[in-house]
Amino acid sequence: NAGVTQTPKFQVLKTGQSMTLQCAQDMNHNSMYWYRQDPGMGLRLIYYSASEGTTDKGEVPNGYNVSRLNKREFSLRLESAAPSQTSVYFCASSRVYSNQPQHFGDGTRLSIL
Amino acid sequence: SQQGEEDPQALSIQEGENATMNCSYKTSINNLQWYRQNSGRGLVHLILIRSNEREKHSGRLRVTLDTSKKSSSLLITASRAADTASYFCATDLIQGAQKLVFGQGTRLTINP
Repeated sequence: NAGVTQTPKFQVLKTGQSMTLQCAQDMNHNSMYWYRQDPGMGLRLIYYSASEGTTDKGEVPNGYNVSRLNKREFSLRLESAAPSQTSVYFCASSRVYSNQPQHFGDGTRLSIL
Repeated sequence: SQQGEEDPQALSIQEGENATMNCSYKTSINNLQWYRQNSGRGLVHLILIRSNEREKHSGRLRVTLDTSKKSSSLLITASRAADTASYFCATDLIQGAQKLVFGQGTRLTINP
């Protein structure tokens, strides 16, 4: 049982390039989330999908877009990468949106030069 | 600003000792959760305590919640080297779009 799988694990981009971070969960969870973690800080929510077919902005959505492709997959896209987006990105899922623990992937370490 | 604030930011103890970490928050919650993060890995859920609960145990972990003081504590008893990690509290808010708000974490080091 893989849980939450994120790809790629590492990526280096140049300013202005675009890329998509992939996330898939095999726990039949309804809700999925994208967070970023910067040094010495907790996680900040970028976007979330409370259920298949819905997406909503979190605390720091600027510069990102998301797609809930199906119940299993939730992707995060950087259209024009900026150095300020250098971070570790975590995808998470939960059975339902509230009052549930979240299950995390191991992260994508993204550097923007 | 962060909803959850952990204290201390860093804690170093000897193996076998108990470790206590505290979390304070600002607004009403449905529940409070504690997570562990090992270096280079994702967060792992430890305990969820609901707003109507005061104490919860899981193995060597004990979590307390005082909603009147808007605070929680995580106690790890008989610490082991494998407990070395960062520990985060996260508050599940009653209102607001960002339902689960994470604190900045406590870095715990267990010395052999």
